[in-house]
Amino acid sequence: SQQGEEDPQALSIQEGENATMNCSYKTSINNLQWYRQNSGRGLVHLILIRSNEREKHSGRLRVTLDTSKKSSSLLITASRAADTASYFCATDARRAGSYQLTFGKGTKLSVIP
Amino acid sequence: DSGVTQTPKHLITATGQRVTLRCSPRSGDLSVYWYQQSLDQGLQFLIQYYNGEERAKGNILERFSAQQFPDLHSELNLSSLELGDSALYFCASDGGPTDTQYFGPGTRLTVL
Repeated sequence: SQQGEEDPQALSIQEGENATMNCSYKTSINNLQWYRQNSGRGLVHLILIRSNEREKHSGRLRVTLDTSKKSSSLLITASRAADTASYFCATDARRAGSYQLTFGKGTKLSVIP
Repeated sequence: DSGVTQTPKHLITATGQRVTLRCSPRSGDLSVYWYQQSLDQGLQFLIQYYNGEERAKGNILERFSAQQFPDLHSELNLSSLELGDSALYFCASDGGPTDTQYFGPGTRLTVL
């Protein structure tokens, strides 16, 4: 079953605009990770935020985590055409010594030049 | 480049057949995770191995099995293939608890 649910399912913006994607999850987590996938290719790790962190930055990416609301957001600032991809949040919650990731269905971002 | 390698990149086979997918984790990573990505189910965890031993099982069919060898590479075996097994299969590795999981480029399996 899906743990994380991204919102919106699809997002279309102009180059230079900011893009915000949200992720909600159901159970307690150890950390939450965001990945990017270009058109059915490999998953590229973007950022990991731990359950005791509230905000994290990496280049043009900003991730927030609100464990009380069980939600996270990914903000991409000054978007570029190359940011066009699907973005997934993934949570891990230790189960019997394993940290397998549970993914949401993803947000498909289109950045129009 | 994540450092995780997978072979082959593409695999086309017929229903009823058996295939083996291979994964080499990043240098030093002891854990290997297998995931399946399909259009209807999304990305789902299949199975994890840690230092040669099975650590966790997810939504893995009985027709599927995996193993991790002493050199830490892993193989996912899919047998009695059905059309619905067509998907992207990813492996990932990490360096330890709560660490980032790095994904390989995936193997695209098409069952005709």
